[in-house]
Parts: sequence; structure tokens; C-alpha cells
Amino acid sequence: DTQMTQSPSSLSAAVGDRVTISCRASHGIRNSVSWFQQKPGKAPKPLIYGASILQSGVPSKFSGSGSGTDFTLTISSLQPEDFATYFCLQYETYPRTFGPGTRVEIK
Amino acid sequence: EVQLVESGGGLVQPGGSLRLSCAASGFAFDNTWMDWVRQAPGKGLEWVANIKMDGSEMYYVDSVKGRFTISRDNAKNSLFLQLNSLRIEDTAVYYCSASLNHWGHGTLVTVSS
Repeated sequence: DTQMTQSPSSLSAAVGDRVTISCRASHGIRNSVSWFQQKPGKAPKPLIYGASILQSGVPSKFSGSGSGTDFTLTISSLQPEDFATYFCLQYETYPRTFGPGTRVEIK
Repeated sequence: EVQLVESGGGLVQPGGSLRLSCAASGFAFDNTWMDWVRQAPGKGLEWVANIKMDGSEMYYVDSVKGRFTISRDNAKNSLFLQLNSLRIEDTAVYYCSASLNHWGHGTLVTVSS
């Protein structure tokens, strides 16, 4: 199975901060990575697919990069509605696997 | 607008069975891979299974192989997940997803005696 690790597991940031979340795959997965945002009690919201392609309707403050084994999600200027947990997902191999999540909290 | 509505969750004893359903609308269901993903209380996301557009291919995570069966009815724009031999560790919210790009709100399955 392809293992996905995420770092950090949690972070505290202020409104307006630039935030970067990393995801690493246990072996090369080309650019087959998606990113999701999840708020308590809600379904995950897709943000990015293909490592860097924004889902329709997702604001441009979100961006993704990476290929192979190392991937990054960046939020350029954190807003109150962005405080949530973020997950990466690889869909190159079976079983599909998610990272353990990064909780973004208010400083 | 894409809509995915899950149903069929509930409380079941260990060893019991449930059948989850997902009603889909707003997109070409018969041209879309469909997935089930679950989330245990307070835990992360776990991909469970998916099925090809015509139902000819299905894939599962190892922990559910031989116990869960994914299926679909394209005439009724519906996705299903048959859960057999349920274990306490299968307790989770189960989400239906269209190619992991659109998600339902989930249905809670609780396995407890």
C-alpha cells in the first residue's frame, strides 16, 4: 500500500498568515494527489486534484504543488473560515490512501 | 447541481448486516467511478471501495474484503454498499462520493452489542 504522511499534524496560525501543509508518499505517485478540507460534523470538501488543479469554486488563496513523493498545500492568507482539518489523498494505487490530517487552529 | 444522498445507516450488533444506499443526481452517474469512504468517530478518513462506471471492476481496502460488497444500478442512479459480518471497528460515518470530487453528507453505522 502507498502510505501518506502529513506534516505538521497540527498548527496554530493567525488570520492573514501564509500556511503550508506537506504530504509525502511512500513511493512515487506522479501527480495523483487531492487535498480536502473538513470542518467538524461536515463532509470533506475537495479543494485540489492532480496535485495543483483547483476544484471549481475553490478560492485562489488555495494552491497545491508537487509531484512524485512530495506534495504541498498552501493557503496564502488564512481567513477565519479556513480553520479546519486538511487531508491529502493519493489515487495512483489501490487501495486509495489518505494522510492522517493537519488541524489548522487559531493562534 | 451534484447531489449525493446516503441512507441505510443505523445500529447493528457485531456479526450483523446493513445495506447502505446512495441516491445520485446532477451528473452523468453512468459515466462516473463511484467510491465509499468512511470516518470512524474522531478519526481520519479511510477509503473503503470503488466501482467502475459499468460495474465491471470493484476494488476494496483489505480490511473489508470478503465482508463488504459495492454495487450500482445505473438505471436508478444508485450506489450501494452491502456490509456483512460487521465488527465494532466498522463503526463510522460512511460517505458516498463521485470520483472523490463530490461527496454526500454521510450515514452513520454503529456496530455495538
